[in-house]
Amino acid sequence: NAGVTQTPKFRVLKTGQSMTLLCAQDMNHEYMYWYRQDPGMGLRLIHYSVGEGTTAKGEVPDGYNVSRLKKQNFLLGLESAAPSQTSVYFCASSWPSRDTDTQYFGPGTRLTVL
Amino acid sequence: QKEVEQDPGPLSVPEGAIVSLNCTYSNSAFQYFMWYRQYSRKGPELLMYTYSSGNKEDGRFTAQVDKSSKYISLFIRDSQPSDSATYLCAMKRVRGAGNKLTFGGGTRVLVKP
Repeated sequence: NAGVTQTPKFRVLKTGQSMTLLCAQDMNHEYMYWYRQDPGMGLRLIHYSVGEGTTAKGEVPDGYNVSRLKKQNFLLGLESAAPSQTSVYFCASSWPSRDTDTQYFGPGTRLTVL
Repeated sequence: QKEVEQDPGPLSVPEGAIVSLNCTYSNSAFQYFMWYRQYSRKGPELLMYTYSSGNKEDGRFTAQVDKSSKYISLFIRDSQPSDSATYLCAMKRVRGAGNKLTFGGGTRVLVKP
């Protein structure tokens, strides 16, 4: 099992450019999440999905869009990148259980917007 | 004001010492409390999970929750250099609800040999 994988690992964009981050999980998890991590801010939820074909806004959704066309994939899009979106992006997935509801995280994508 | 507050550190201790970490929170609706460990340039991984108030022990790790004070703690006994990482507390209101977690900012811990 690869767990949660993210593509790409690093990316540099110019202001106004667009890009898509791909998250894939092979654990058959129902829920998937996109977070951003900035120094001193912890992890902040951007968007999440509770199942194939569903998406919902998190804490900081502005400037991002998501799609969950297949259960194993969750895409995060930036239509017009801004320097404020320079961050490390983490994808996570979970399968709600009675005991832990553990979220499993990917290795992250480091994005710099110039 | 953030819902979950955590001292960013860094917290530097000698090998073998007890590491004490804590978080305070403002929302009394939080029921589930977690500690994640994050090594440099890696994704977080779940370390401890506690429901409501009380203590939970797992090897060298002990998690405590005091809901009356809105305060949670993580203790690491006999700390090792391999414990050097950033520790994030996280909490959740109810089961389901998309499993949304609210994270603290993380405390960086450095265990010196």
